[in-house]
Amino acid sequence: QKEVEQNSGPLSVPEGAIASLNCTYSDRGSQSFFWYRQYSGKSPELIMFIYSNGDKEDGRFTAQLNKASQYVSLLIRDSQPSDSATYLCAVKPGGKLIFGQGTELSVKP
Amino acid sequence: ETGVTQTPRHLVMGMTNKKSLKCEQHLGHNAMYWYKQSAKKPLELMFVYSLEERVENNSVPSRFSPECPNSSHLFLHLHTLQPEDSALYLCASSQNPGQGAGDTQYFGPGTRLTVL
Repeated sequence: QKEVEQNSGPLSVPEGAIASLNCTYSDRGSQSFFWYRQYSGKSPELIMFIYSNGDKEDGRFTAQLNKASQYVSLLIRDSQPSDSATYLCAVKPGGKLIFGQGTELSVKP
Repeated sequence: ETGVTQTPRHLVMGMTNKKSLKCEQHLGHNAMYWYKQSAKKPLELMFVYSLEERVENNSVPSRFSPECPNSSHLFLHLHTLQPEDSALYLCASSQNPGQGAGDTQYFGPGTRLTVL
């Protein structure tokens, strides 16, 4: 079992829709969770981090964490073509950050 | 300059060459990282430095040699690389390598390395 799993996609949504990206992790002791966005040929950029169970909202982005079920998700409301990128989930079970392989999101105009 | 910078942005080298990648962070952070990103694979952590001391080395081949002369600069020295080492090499920094918001990592633009 991979430490951090994401569906590689591509996930295709129409412009204006809600995009839902999911991530599961294997280490129950994980405390910190991060979502990064990576455009093709570019480096990852931080979107959000979350530490507590529940939802955390920042603009059009909402991160949801459920430690009991060991998943973290990212919702993007009112998706725009500029949101088309690969979204990386990262989990910190101990001393280092473990990344998933990323989910490719495509927002169609 | 702001954030995390890396040079060069692109590098092509032969298997017998020696080259170095440079990373500089302008964020006042205490920890710096080297990652390797190959196509269709997750980011792989290579090295972690905290306050200029190496705290993590993820079984990286000795043909990769890191150097951290101070908390703002990080180098990755390369020698006798293999074609499978071709990848995007990313540098990142964080306030500290522990838990919490201070551990948020910020990435540089990366060096695209091609080994012929």
